[in-house]
Amino acid sequence: SAVISQKPSRDICQRGTSLTIQCQVDSQVTMMFWYRQQPGQSLTLIATANQGSEATYESGFVIDKFPISRPNLTFSTLTVSNMSPEDSSIYLCSVVPTDTQYFGPGTRLTVL
Amino acid sequence: GENVEQHPSTLSVQEGDSAVIKCTYSDSASNYFPWYKQELGKRPQLIIDIRSNVGEKKDQRIAVTLNKTAKHFSLHITETQPEDSAVYFCAASTNFNKFYFGSGTKLNVKP
Repeated sequence: SAVISQKPSRDICQRGTSLTIQCQVDSQVTMMFWYRQQPGQSLTLIATANQGSEATYESGFVIDKFPISRPNLTFSTLTVSNMSPEDSSIYLCSVVPTDTQYFGPGTRLTVL
Repeated sequence: GENVEQHPSTLSVQEGDSAVIKCTYSDSASNYFPWYKQELGKRPQLIIDIRSNVGEKKDQRIAVTLNKTAKHFSLHITETQPEDSAVYFCAASTNFNKFYFGSGTKLNVKP
């Protein structure tokens, strides 16, 4: 199993600002995933973050808007840049330490 | 990329009845199919999964079936209870590299 924490758990931000979300895992994992879950919707994969390499972004998501860092095998950050109200969502990180996917508790972001 | 479709979007059953949720996928390379339960305000939790070399898997009241030829898999919940009420997501993955999720099914179990 994996214990995952995220910071902050929630935030309210102003339009045009940026927020960095942290994801910490209690064990070393090769891949970390970042998802967005808009209200009442499913989970959409933003990017896959591997340690020591550039993140791989899914269609519709770009590095300038969602820069990701992966400095080691237990930690990653996702930044939501130049925010607009459309970025209001829950952001979740997840890992697959063996053959099961575990999710962090999520960061609820509201952009005014 | 992979496309996962999930039906129905909402499902209402009487306590004790069975519930079935169906998903289809498009990528024949997908070989891992998990199901997640998400309660309001909480993170998704894995409830059961199946790999492509297996046709059916059961865990107490929950079962999953997979038809690789037709590219569809289903979640079966028997003897439903009010605490089964939640949103359920199916997903498909190839070797755990990426996970693509269905649109979700809101299950309501009426007491």
